[in-house]
Amino acid sequence: DIQMTQSPSSLSASVGDRVTITCRASQPISNYLHWYQQKPGEAPKVLICGASILQSGVPSRFSGGGSGTDFTLTISSLQPEDSATYFCQQAYRTPPWTFGQGTKVEIK
Amino acid sequence: QVQLVQSGAEVTKPGASVKVSCKASGYLFSDYCIHWVRQAPGQGLEWVGLINLSLGSTSYAERFQGRVTMTADTSTRTVYMEMTNQRSDDTATYYCARGIVNRGWRHFDYWGQGTLVRVSS
Repeated sequence: DIQMTQSPSSLSASVGDRVTITCRASQPISNYLHWYQQKPGEAPKVLICGASILQSGVPSRFSGGGSGTDFTLTISSLQPEDSATYFCQQAYRTPPWTFGQGTKVEIK
Repeated sequence: QVQLVQSGAEVTKPGASVKVSCKASGYLFSDYCIHWVRQAPGQGLEWVGLINLSLGSTSYAERFQGRVTMTADTSTRTVYMEMTNQRSDDTATYYCARGIVNRGWRHFDYWGQGTLVRVSS
């Protein structure tokens, strides 16, 4: 199975800051990398698929990049409503679909 | 609009079985598969398996093989996940999610609200 490793596991930043989360795959996965946002008590919601394709309705301050084994999720200007846990997921060699362990983003 | 509505919370005893349902609406049921993903309290996301509604086939994560069964009732557009021989570490919120497996990016685009299953003696 492909292992996904996210860093950091948590971060605290101020409103307006630029925030970057990294996800690394244990083997190349082309662009089959997706990002989900999960707020407490809610189901995950897809933000970005195919490493960089912003889903409909997702604010443009979110962006994704990378290919192969190394990927990033960037929030260009952190907002209070972005407080959540973010998960990456690979969908290249499936089954199984595998997730990173999550990055908790808090607002200072 | 696309909706996945899951059944309510369950409390089960160790060794018992639990069956969770996921009712789909707002799209052509057989065009997609339904995945099941679980999340233990305070933990990450773990893929449990999927049912392919166009082929009628299933695929399960290796660690759940022999303990999980996914079925569908196309007349009611409802998918079921049954897990047997429950253990305390099966306590988790179980989500159903819609996906496509044979084309596109194979991500999960819509999710149910989650069903908390608590295993306790």
